[in-house]
Amino acid sequence: QVQLVESGGGLVKPGGSLRLSCSASGFSFSDYYLAWIRQAPGRRLEYISYISARSEVIYYGDSVKGRFTMSRDNAKESLDLQMNNLRVEDTGLYFCARVETSRGYDSSFVDFWGQGTLVTVSS
Amino acid sequence: SYELTQPPSVSVSPGQTVNITCSGDALGQKYVSWYQQKTGQSPVVVIYEDTKRPSGIPERFSGSNSGNTATLTISGTQATDEADYYCQAWDSRTWVFGGGAKLTVV
Repeated sequence: QVQLVESGGGLVKPGGSLRLSCSASGFSFSDYYLAWIRQAPGRRLEYISYISARSEVIYYGDSVKGRFTMSRDNAKESLDLQMNNLRVEDTGLYFCARVETSRGYDSSFVDFWGQGTLVTVSS
Repeated sequence: SYELTQPPSVSVSPGQTVNITCSGDALGQKYVSWYQQKTGQSPVVVIYEDTKRPSGIPERFSGSNSGNTATLTISGTQATDEADYYCQAWDSRTWVFGGGAKLTVV
């Protein structure tokens, strides 16, 4: 069965860095878009970054552009999110997600989610 | 940026039908997905492409989308349906979520 397992979350001071990882199994990893979706306290779910199957397309939300870097290794079936210059407002639960895009962006949706890894940015 | 608006909370009695709405400019021209998130769990898609139900999702979940409003309908609501419900649509560069509606079954 499809599994997405995040790791790397923790407590960090403002301005610090963290690297999140997502290990995938149970599906053809190199065929799918993947995304990092953040759920911050009191705020709506947010696609902070997504990456196409072969890394041709990488999107960053305005809130993280220039600070976060998303990458994938199809051979290792892993996904990473390097987070630099972290801010208090980056606090939240970070989900690794598989995005079903076979019928185009407009009809796409997340068909599998990881359990999330918690990032807390606080002094 | 494109915004999706949901009521913060909705309540329903067990066995009744409830509609959860999601509003956005010309939303009827986009596809909408709906996610259910129970406390302490990851979201699960219950409707995609406005009306389609993934395998394993009960038939009591249905969706519609027209004009500026998409609607998730739960018929014969059960206590186990108590959760937060989020709508999602594509907006030129990325997917956006509504703010979520907390469904209480009382």
